[in-house]
Amino acid sequence: GAVVSQHPSWVICKSGTSVKIECRSLDFQATTMFWYRQFPKQSLMLMATSNEGSKATYEQGVEKDKFLINHASLTLSTLTVTSAHPEDSSFYICSARSPRVKLDTQYFGPGTRLTVL
Amino acid sequence: GENVEQHPSTLSVQEGDSAVIKCTYSDSASNYFPWYKQELGKGPQLIIDIRSNVGEKKDQRIAVTLNKTAKHFSLHITETQPEDSAVYFCAASMRQGGSEKLVFGKGTKLTVNP
Repeated sequence: GAVVSQHPSWVICKSGTSVKIECRSLDFQATTMFWYRQFPKQSLMLMATSNEGSKATYEQGVEKDKFLINHASLTLSTLTVTSAHPEDSSFYICSARSPRVKLDTQYFGPGTRLTVL
Repeated sequence: GENVEQHPSTLSVQEGDSAVIKCTYSDSASNYFPWYKQELGKGPQLIIDIRSNVGEKKDQRIAVTLNKTAKHFSLHITETQPEDSAVYFCAASMRQGGSEKLVFGKGTKLTVNP
């Protein structure tokens, strides 16, 4: 149980284009979803927290107009990287949480590798 | 805010030996401490967690200990196997603005040599 999927698993795009990444909780309803980015050999950096039906809360230094987050349902959150640039290339990972599954525990997706040319 | 320090950054052991990874945290209000294992190119996988009302928890070859007074917690892996090789992250919960999030350590790359 508590499976989280992401799509796509990897994506290559041209500079200036936008890319959408989906995060789904497959067997539970996630009250909260989180988006992280991870650079090679580094730790996870929280970008934003989103609750179903409300606006995402962004961490300091993360541009909300560049990283658009939509949490339209209890099983789906999307991250759109707008006007992507090479420096946005990274490993993006989502996680989901539900107190009905296990209080406080975040279950992570497999990640999405974004490469911006 | 919360700060989590993790040591060592790399750890190499022989198959069958034990491995210990240590973390310290700064926020005394933290009450949830998970450990994640991340293999190359994959998302983190929860392996064990502990809450502040418990001092130790064990699951087969994996155990976690928590010392709330000293604000540190440790991961112990016994009888290590090559498939235990991965990057391990500790985390501590932090409440901010009505929501709770995790603050991660910088990770420990564990290599188990056959």
